[in-house]
This record gives sequence, structure tokens and C-alpha cells, in this order.
Amino acid sequence: EVQLLESGGGLVQSGGSLRLSCAASGFTFNSYAMNWVRQAPGKGLEWVSGVSGGGDNTYYADSMRGRFTVSRDNSNDTLYLHMNRLRAEDTAVYYCVKGLNYDSGGYYAYWGQGTLVTVSS
Amino acid sequence: EIVMTQSPATLSVSPGERAALSCRASQSVSSNLAWYQQKPGQAPRLLIYGASTRATGIPARFSGSGSGTEFTLTISSLQSEDFAVYYCQQYNNWPPFTFGPGTKVDIK
Repeated sequence: EVQLLESGGGLVQSGGSLRLSCAASGFTFNSYAMNWVRQAPGKGLEWVSGVSGGGDNTYYADSMRGRFTVSRDNSNDTLYLHMNRLRAEDTAVYYCVKGLNYDSGGYYAYWGQGTLVTVSS
Repeated sequence: EIVMTQSPATLSVSPGERAALSCRASQSVSSNLAWYQQKPGQAPRLLIYGASTRATGIPARFSGSGSGTEFTLTISSLQSEDFAVYYCQQYNNWPPFTFGPGTKVDIK
């Protein structure tokens, strides 16, 4: 059974940093791209970032590029999102999402339960 | 970036009735379109991929149609557990993967 367990969310001041983690199990982690999708309170879904199975290719939404860094540790089946220069508009639930294939494309059949990041101004 | 729009924003339906939700892409996404259902406090659940293929375990009352820029999610006979928010997502041109703003289906 695929399981994705996020952690690392919390309250941070504007301009601060935070690192989210996602522990994966139930599948061959290094064979699949992984993504982060976020949802601001009461709002819709927004794709944030993705990384290929080997970690060699990374992708970002324009508003996060340069502030967020996605990475993965395939020896420990863990996905990370390093978030810097956080803004109030980054306040959201961040979901860890399993990609369809090695290189990040596709639809998302498996989602974690989400971790809440709150940025105070 | 491909912009996804959904209509209506809210759809009020009685249990047992049929619901049709619309999703439109700003340019063709071929059949690379997925639908998700989200209930309060829960992660989204994949319903449909490839515009018309039901995901594992999804009841037959959910069906998807369309290609190019116009898509429809149809729920043939609404059950109580179907009242939720529905999102479409394109995965044809990326990054970024883009979602529609959602359609809320509530009880009439």
C-alpha cells in the first residue's frame, strides 16, 4: 500500500525558512517522480514543484522558483521541500504527491494527508 | 501556461439527480485531463484520468468525456457522499501542471 507522510509544517514569520519532509513507502521510490501541491485556506489546488525519480530533474512553479528547492533522498525514501523567504501568501496545506512515472508527468493517484504551513506577517 | 477554468462555481443538486461539471483549457491538452474529488479536511482523490478512464475503485456513476479544450465530468445519480468540490487538472503541457478553480457540488 502506498503511503505518503508529510511533516515539518508549522508557524513561521514572513521572510523565514522551513523544510518539509515526506516519508514514502509501499512502492519503489526511486522509480517515480514526486511532487508538492499546495492549497491555501479555502482555495484551490496549486502545483508547487516536482522532481524526477533520480533527482536529476527538478521543476517549479514560477512564483516559487528561486525561493523553494525540491530534493529527495532515495536511500531513505524521503522527499523534501526547502522553503526560503516565505511570504504570507505561501500559507497553505502542502501535499506530497506521487508522480505517474519517472519524470514527473501525469496525474496524481496518491496523496499524503498534508502538512500546514502558516506564515505570519 | 495553460489556464484551466471550471463552471459553474457551485452546482446545487438533489440526491439522485444527474450533475454535469464543465472544465475548459486555454489551449488543447489532448486527452491529458484528470478529475479529482475533495471533501473537507481530506486530500483530493483521483476520479478520472485520460479524460474518460475511471481510476481504481471509482463507481461507474462517475464518467468523463471530452478532448482538446472542452471536458465534462458527469455524475449520473448523486449520492450523499458525492457532495464535495471537484477539480480538473491538465498534464499535457508542463511545467506547470495546472488545476481548475473547482466546482462545489452541494445539496439542493
